[in-house]
Amino acid sequence: RKEVEQDPGPFNVPEGATVAFNCTYSNSASQSFFWYRQDCRKEPKLLMSVYSSGNEDGRFTAQLNRASQYISLLIRDSKLSDSATYLCVVNVEGNKLVFGAGTILRVKS
Amino acid sequence: EADIYQTPRYLVIGTGKKITLECSQTMGHDKMYWYQQDPGMELHLIHYSYGVNSTEKGDLSSESTVSRIRTEHFPLTLESARPSHTSQYLCASSEYQLGEQFFGPGTRLTVL
Repeated sequence: RKEVEQDPGPFNVPEGATVAFNCTYSNSASQSFFWYRQDCRKEPKLLMSVYSSGNEDGRFTAQLNRASQYISLLIRDSKLSDSATYLCVVNVEGNKLVFGAGTILRVKS
Repeated sequence: EADIYQTPRYLVIGTGKKITLECSQTMGHDKMYWYQQDPGMELHLIHYSYGVNSTEKGDLSSESTVSRIRTEHFPLTLESARPSHTSQYLCASSEYQLGEQFFGPGTRLTVL
């Protein structure tokens, strides 16, 4: 079993749609959780950190479920510019972050 | 924008050549990392450093080596490049061990 698992997609959605991604992690002791965005042939960039109480940034909402060991990302009112690969990042063992393989989102007009 | 730089951005080189990929950051971060990423695939950590004169191998076995003589500089060297080394190499830095990592633009390496 991979340490951090994501549905690779692609998720093809129309503009204005709401879309949600889940990510599961293997280590119940994990403490740090992030969502990164990576555009095609570019470097990953932090989208948002994920806090225990859940957090929201504009159209983006991240939630953590420790009991089931998953984090989620909800995107409301999808824009064409949201098309990218979304990477789930978790510290699994020791003091290193592990990047998931990513979920591809394609928003179409 | 993150202040982390990588050179060269693109490199095409023949088998057997020695190459060094440069990475520099101006944020004063102690923690620096090298990742390897093939197209459409996940990032794999190949080296990391938590400070000057400290380097460790990552989770993915790599024939490359790194050095950390100055806080801001974390170069990666391949003594003898092979076609299997063709990939994108991404450098990152962070202020905290489990904190946000800032990435450089990457070096796309092709070994013929």
